[in-house]
Amino acid sequence: AQTVTQSQPEMSVQEAETVTLSCTYDTSESDYYLFWYKQPPSRQMILVIRQEAYKQQNATENRFSVNFQKAAKSFSLKISDSQLGDAAMYFCAYRSAYSGNKLTFGGGTRVLVKP
Amino acid sequence: DVKVTQSSRYLVKRTGEKVFLECVQDMDHENMFWYRQDPGLGLRLIYFSYDVKMKEKGDIPEGYSVSREKKERFSLILESASTNQTSMYLCASTQPGTGYTGELFFGEGSRLTVL
Repeated sequence: AQTVTQSQPEMSVQEAETVTLSCTYDTSESDYYLFWYKQPPSRQMILVIRQEAYKQQNATENRFSVNFQKAAKSFSLKISDSQLGDAAMYFCAYRSAYSGNKLTFGGGTRVLVKP
Repeated sequence: DVKVTQSSRYLVKRTGEKVFLECVQDMDHENMFWYRQDPGLGLRLIYFSYDVKMKEKGDIPEGYSVSREKKERFSLILESASTNQTSMYLCASTQPGTGYTGELFFGEGSRLTVL
């Protein structure tokens, strides 16, 4: 079974600065998808960014970018120019290309943004 | 926009009670999921459903059952609630197909306390 590990329970960042969240995963599969989801306080979880394992180019969505290292099974999220609205729980997730649409999530990282 | 609605944001129940958590999505999605969210453990899959009347166990199905009689509605049932089922419950849906991105759409969550 796949596992997803987020080693940082909490990260703090100054407004306008950059923060990087770590995620590692364990799988024997070659084809899969990786996601970062954001859960703001008392609000529903939303997708931040997605990466297909067969793509070498790292995904980018505005101020959010990933560093995908397939050999190392690492998938970090970088938030640039942090804003107060970025304060949330962030979850890394894995989806196999072979076993349906289930996602396996990491334990989450809480991001605090200081004004 | 996809809307996933969970019937209750907050519930307080007593040990041994039967508990129903309801989830409705308005985008005709085939796949629906119930996750449980606990601090440090992230989200863990309880049950999922690929289509009406179809269900499969996730990683932690013990103590839970589900019902999907209509495509838009997926219910989670705790037959006899116990204190270790105190948690946040998240419903999600998705629609596989051409161009599928793997994104799950989540409800706002139901926080259940069992006394």
